[in-house]
Amino acid sequence: QSALTQPASVSGSPGQSITISCTGTSSDVGVYDYVSWYQQHPGKAPKLFIFDVTKRPSGVSNRFSGSKSGITASLTISGLQADDEADYYCGSYTSSSTWVFGGGTRLTVL
Amino acid sequence: EVQLVESGGGLVQPGGSLRLSCAVSGFTFSDYWMHWVRQAPGKGLVWVSRIFTDGTDTTYADSVKGRFTISRDNRKNTLYLQMDSLRADDTAIYYCARSRDLTFDYWGQGTLVTVSS
Repeated sequence: QSALTQPASVSGSPGQSITISCTGTSSDVGVYDYVSWYQQHPGKAPKLFIFDVTKRPSGVSNRFSGSKSGITASLTISGLQADDEADYYCGSYTSSSTWVFGGGTRLTVL
Repeated sequence: EVQLVESGGGLVQPGGSLRLSCAVSGFTFSDYWMHWVRQAPGKGLVWVSRIFTDGTDTTYADSVKGRFTISRDNRKNTLYLQMDSLRADDTAIYYCARSRDLTFDYWGQGTLVTVSS
């Protein structure tokens, strides 16, 4: 199972919006709505930010939103804040009854 | 409060074995599938293994199949990962994670496994 494809890095200024893409295949992102996004600060554990493509867990800001079209899912962060600077990973369930993650995207808030 | 606490990591020689543990609290352990996910230094997340609520079914990533064994003790609220025939590319932080509806909703802080001579 190959990793989902994410850009290595994205950046934006405070207050701006950014979007991180996550491209999979017809065996994972393209066939299931079990796409999730995780935020990871350096030296910390990943934290769930988006699940089932578009849903936010309790406590996650509505500045974070998810979407999907075909084999590509996206995470959009609006009103960028300094604390949003972190690594972001997408993940998906697969048709092999396994799970796959993206390679991760480093978000820099300028 | 949901808590997952991994232990058992350390330095091991290539070909050696190690058993990781993940002690959980704050939820009914026996109600959830559990997983191990690893992250090599400076690299991304990689799913390793999953176990059903009652331990009757397990699945593994191809990279660890036949070498790693996931298990659980629902009486002790503890998840395990037995790692045998360890290789240098198994070096990583190993996280245990709970899943609900095929999503990893809670993660432990991880335990570092280093395979080196």
